[in-house]
Amino acid sequence: RKEVEQDPGPFNVPEGATVAFNCTYSNSASQSFFWYRQDCRKEPKLLMSVYSSGNEDGRFTAQLNRASQYISLLIRDSKLSDSATYLCVVNMKTGRRALTFGSGTRLQVQP
Amino acid sequence: DAGITQSPRYKITETGRQVTLMCHQTWSHSYMFWYRQDLGHGLRLIYYSAAADITDKGEVPDGYVVSRSKTENFPLTLESATRSQTSVYFCASKSLSEGTEAFFGQGTRLTVV
Repeated sequence: RKEVEQDPGPFNVPEGATVAFNCTYSNSASQSFFWYRQDCRKEPKLLMSVYSSGNEDGRFTAQLNRASQYISLLIRDSKLSDSATYLCVVNMKTGRRALTFGSGTRLQVQP
Repeated sequence: DAGITQSPRYKITETGRQVTLMCHQTWSHSYMFWYRQDLGHGLRLIYYSAAADITDKGEVPDGYVVSRSKTENFPLTLESATRSQTSVYFCASKSLSEGTEAFFGQGTRLTVV
């Protein structure tokens, strides 16, 4: 079983739609969580951190459920520019798991 | 310039040649990582380093060698390049502090012919 699992998609949605991605992680000792965005095999860039209480940044909302070991990302009012691959990242405190990536979920927003 | 830089950005090499990909960061981050990304596989960890002179294998280390004599540099060497090592390579760095993000270089697109 992969340490971090995501639905690869693609998710094809029209502009203005709301779309949600989930990510599950296997190690209950995981300590911090992030969503990264990657465009066309360019370098991944931080989209937002994920906090236990949930957090919002404009049209983006991230949630963490430690009991069920999953993280979610909600995008409201999708824009064409949101088309990208979204990577779930789980951090452990030390070692190779200091940065563990899911394989990514591809989003395609259509006009 | 502050940040993390990779060189070269593009490289074509022949099978059997040794090639070194460079990664340099200016933040004095303790952690550095090398990933490769192939279509359909996402980011796969090749090697990582927790500090200068401390390196360890990731998921796909075979055929690669790393070193970290200085905190800021983390070169990746393909000892004898093979076609299966054609890929996009990303270097990343991260501080030891909990909950901090990782930063990525722009990537090196390597083609082995």
